[in-house]
Amino acid sequence: SQQGEEDPQALSIQEGENATMNCSYKTSINNLQWYRQNSGRGLVHLILIRSNEREKHSGRLRVTLDTSKKSSSLLITASRAADTASYFCGHYGNNRLAFGKGNQVVVIP
Amino acid sequence: DTAVSQTPKYLVTQMGNDKSIKCEQNLGHDTMYWYKQDSKKFLKIMFSYNNKELIINETVPNRFSPKSPDKAHLNLHINSLELGDSAVYFCASSQVRGETQYFGPGTRLLVL
Repeated sequence: SQQGEEDPQALSIQEGENATMNCSYKTSINNLQWYRQNSGRGLVHLILIRSNEREKHSGRLRVTLDTSKKSSSLLITASRAADTASYFCGHYGNNRLAFGKGNQVVVIP
Repeated sequence: DTAVSQTPKYLVTQMGNDKSIKCEQNLGHDTMYWYKQDSKKFLKIMFSYNNKELIINETVPNRFSPKSPDKAHLNLHINSLELGDSAVYFCASSQVRGETQYFGPGTRLLVL
């Protein structure tokens, strides 16, 4: 899982499997955002979930948010080799987006 | 057309030099940001500007000075570069504060 001070996590899965990664935060938030970063590239926005929402879907992506536990999860269903990337959650509060260290996901064809 | 562009893409320089990184967005966004990503991929906000006004200035050494000549541009000038400044610097923008951010491709800075 991602937190402010933990080392990045790595996950290797077979193509077609689901990938789940978690993120936690410590402060109150307005929203939480998930981004993907391919090697050598900038971050690309995936989903934004607001603090009053509990679940959100976008294509093969499902994000949950539990504000009581200050945690979120990102599920990628039916993974593809092209999903290989680092995934970051950023929690927005106090006028800034604070990122965890990311989860490296490798999808093996 | 590139939404958020940065130049240069790579920057290799000697300790003590002064360098600038430029960022431009053509999305019409009001807010722009600078982030630093270290070798462990930890991404940290450095500065944020809203309509050319500085709104976030994290605990960044004052050798780093952002400049926003207009809403579409946010440049980063670094004086007296140090080895620890080596990182990837990302510019980003958003329509309004707190919403989806669009990132540039990054500038890879290596200080020797």
